[in-house]
Amino acid sequence: EDKVVQSPLSLVVHEGDTVTLNCSYEVTNFRSLLWYKQEKKAPTFLFMLTSSGIEKKSGRLSSILDKKELSSILNITATQTGDSAIYLCAVAPDSEKLVFGKGTKLTVNP
Amino acid sequence: ETGVTQSPTHLIKTRGQQVTLRCSSQSGHNTVSWYQQALGQGPQFIFQYYREEENGRGNFPPRFSGLQFPNYSSELNVNALELDDSALYLCASSRGLATNEQFFGPGTRLTVL
Repeated sequence: EDKVVQSPLSLVVHEGDTVTLNCSYEVTNFRSLLWYKQEKKAPTFLFMLTSSGIEKKSGRLSSILDKKELSSILNITATQTGDSAIYLCAVAPDSEKLVFGKGTKLTVNP
Repeated sequence: ETGVTQSPTHLIKTRGQQVTLRCSSQSGHNTVSWYQQALGQGPQFIFQYYREEENGRGNFPPRFSGLQFPNYSSELNVNALELDDSALYLCASSRGLATNEQFFGPGTRLTVL
C-alpha cells in the first residue's frame, strides 16, 4: 500500500527561525512529489518535484527530493507569522491520485 | 484564469440521506479529482474524472459516485450517509493526465448527524 509519512506532526517556532519539514514515502511507482500549504480549507500548490527536477526554490521556500532515500524536505527561511499553516506532502504514483501524508502543522509566533 | 470553485460551502445532513457536491474546474483544465479530508488527516483520494469518464478510484464504497460534464465541471454524490462521512470534501483540477499538478478548490464541509 502506498504510504507517505511526514515529520514532525507539529512545530512551533519564532519569527525569523528557519524550519525544515520532512516527508518520506513508500510507493509502488513514483512520478512526482508535491508540497501544498493548507491554511483554512484549500491546499495551495507550492512545488512539484520529479526525477528531472529534484530541487525547487521560490522566495524563502525551497524543496529537495532525494530519490535514493525516498524522501523530500521543505525548508522555510526567515519564517513569518503568515507561514503558519499545515504543510502537506503528496506523492503521485500514477496519473490519477495523489497520496497525502497527514501534514505538519507549523505555528510561527511573533 | 478562474480558479476551482465548489458548492455548497457547508452542508448538514442526517444519517441515511443523500448528498450532491459540485465542483467547477479551473479554466483550461479537463481533469477533476475528488478527495475526502477527515479532521487531522491528509486528503484521501476518492476518484478522478478525465474527459467525462472515471479514470481511477480510491478505496471508497460504491455509494460514493460521480459525474463529469462536457464543460468539465463535476459532481460527487454520496448515498446512505454515515456519521464517518463527516469531512471536508476537496475537488482538484488539472490539465490532462501528463501532469500531476492539481489545484484545489476551497472544499465543502459536510456534517452528518
